[in-house]
Amino acid sequence: GQNIDQPTEMTATEGAIVQINCTYQTSGFNGLFWYQQHAGEAPTFLSYNVLDGLEEKGRFSSFLSRSKGYSYLLLKELQMKDSASYLCAVRERGGATNKLIFGTGTLLAVQP
Amino acid sequence: DTAVSQTPKYLVTQMGNDKSIKCEQNLGHDTMYWYKQDSKKFLKIMFSYNNKELIINETVPNRFSPKSPDKAHLNLHINSLELGDSAVYFCASSQRVFAAGGTGELFFGEGSRLTVL
Repeated sequence: GQNIDQPTEMTATEGAIVQINCTYQTSGFNGLFWYQQHAGEAPTFLSYNVLDGLEEKGRFSSFLSRSKGYSYLLLKELQMKDSASYLCAVRERGGATNKLIFGTGTLLAVQP
Repeated sequence: DTAVSQTPKYLVTQMGNDKSIKCEQNLGHDTMYWYKQDSKKFLKIMFSYNNKELIINETVPNRFSPKSPDKAHLNLHINSLELGDSAVYFCASSQRVFAAGGTGELFFGEGSRLTVL
């Protein structure tokens, strides 16, 4: 079966660091994505992990452990504009298809 | 220039009607998708086309029919609309997986908010 779990909501303070966790159980694994979605807007790509370890991209970093079925997104130096939903998505292994299964998302509220 | 564009952005209609949503991408991608995002913000794949060929067809009522006239366009037609069809429908596109060392990440359109009364 397919199961991707994330916390529903999180709150953090401007300037702080926040870690959003994602655990998954899917039919095969071929990469994990993090997307950001502001209210009323389209999801936008943040990061991609296919091998174990940390990928850093400016203020955002993403970690993957395939053996544990676990990933996290780390946001540093939080800004008010980081208030958004953060979606974890796993690509299933499957030939030429690029089927991404999304979690329900974590709504992050950044407070002053 | 908008990379993935959908029309209309908002659609309000009565139960039982038939409606279409259009999507176009100018990124040169081979693969396009339709996702549905419900009121709980859960984003679920419906269909995917690769160069006009249907390659993903999830468990979706056959009232939903996608059509891809060419690899830059993917339309969604919905017959006999029901209240439960109310959602935001997102079109997306991507390169083929691992093409030119890419990640195959999805580029989403702005969404089409469908409200069925």
